Amino acid sequence: DGGITQSPKYLFRKEGQNVTLSCEQNLNHDAMYWYRQDPGQGLRLIYYSQIVNDFQKGDIAEGYSVSREKKESFPLTVTSAQKNPTAFYLCASSGDTGELFFGEGSRLTVL
Amino acid sequence: QKEVEQDPGPLSVPEGAIVSLNCTYSNSAFQYFMWYRQYSRKGPELLMYTYSSGNKEDGRFTAQVDKSSKYISLFIRDSQPSDSATYLCAMKPHSGGSNYKLTFGKGTLLTVNP
Repeated sequence: DGGITQSPKYLFRKEGQNVTLSCEQNLNHDAMYWYRQDPGQGLRLIYYSQIVNDFQKGDIAEGYSVSREKKESFPLTVTSAQKNPTAFYLCASSGDTGELFFGEGSRLTVL
Repeated sequence: QKEVEQDPGPLSVPEGAIVSLNCTYSNSAFQYFMWYRQYSRKGPELLMYTYSSGNKEDGRFTAQVDKSSKYISLFIRDSQPSDSATYLCAMKPHSGGSNYKLTFGKGTLLTVNP
C-alpha cells in the first residue's frame, strides 16, 4: 500500500540523548515535512524539504536536524539542545496536487 | 491576534445531530482551505479541500468558506460515533507545492454519543 511510514511509534529518551525518528514514503512525492503537535498548540512546522538534498527550517527548527539524501526518506533528529522534546511528531509528504499526506506519528517522551 | 482561531471544544453531541465546526482567520491572502480529521494517536487525514469562497459537499460533509467574513465551517450531517475525532482546519495562500505555508488551527475535539 502507498503511504508514509513513521518509526518508532513510541520512543523514550533520557535527557541529554539525541534520538532519530524515521520517515519513509512510497508515494513518489518530492516534498516532505516534519510537524510537532502538542496539546492545545496545533501543528507546528519543524523542517521541510521540497527536493532531495535540500531542506529548509520551519517555524520551530531549534534543537532539531534533518537530512534528505533520498527522495523516500526524511529522518528527523531530536538533539539534546531541544529544551522540551516530549511531543507527538508527524511526518507528511505532498505531491503536485498539494494535498498533504500524514504518517501515523511518533510519540517521544523524555524521562 | 492569531492567524487562525479554532474553538478547541470539547464538543459533545448525540448520534444523528448536525455538527458545525468553525475557524476564523486574519490573513486575507489565504485562498485554499482544508479540513483534516485526526483520530486519537493517529495522523491527520484530509477530509475536504476547497478554493476561495463557496460550498463543497462530500457525502455527509459540507465545507463552507466565506472570505468576506474570513470564516470557514465544516458541517457534518447525521453524525455517527465513528465521527468522534479532532477536526483541524488549515489554510494557505497558494496552491500546489506551497504546503510549507500551511497554517493549522488548534483543532476541535468532537465526541458523538450513541
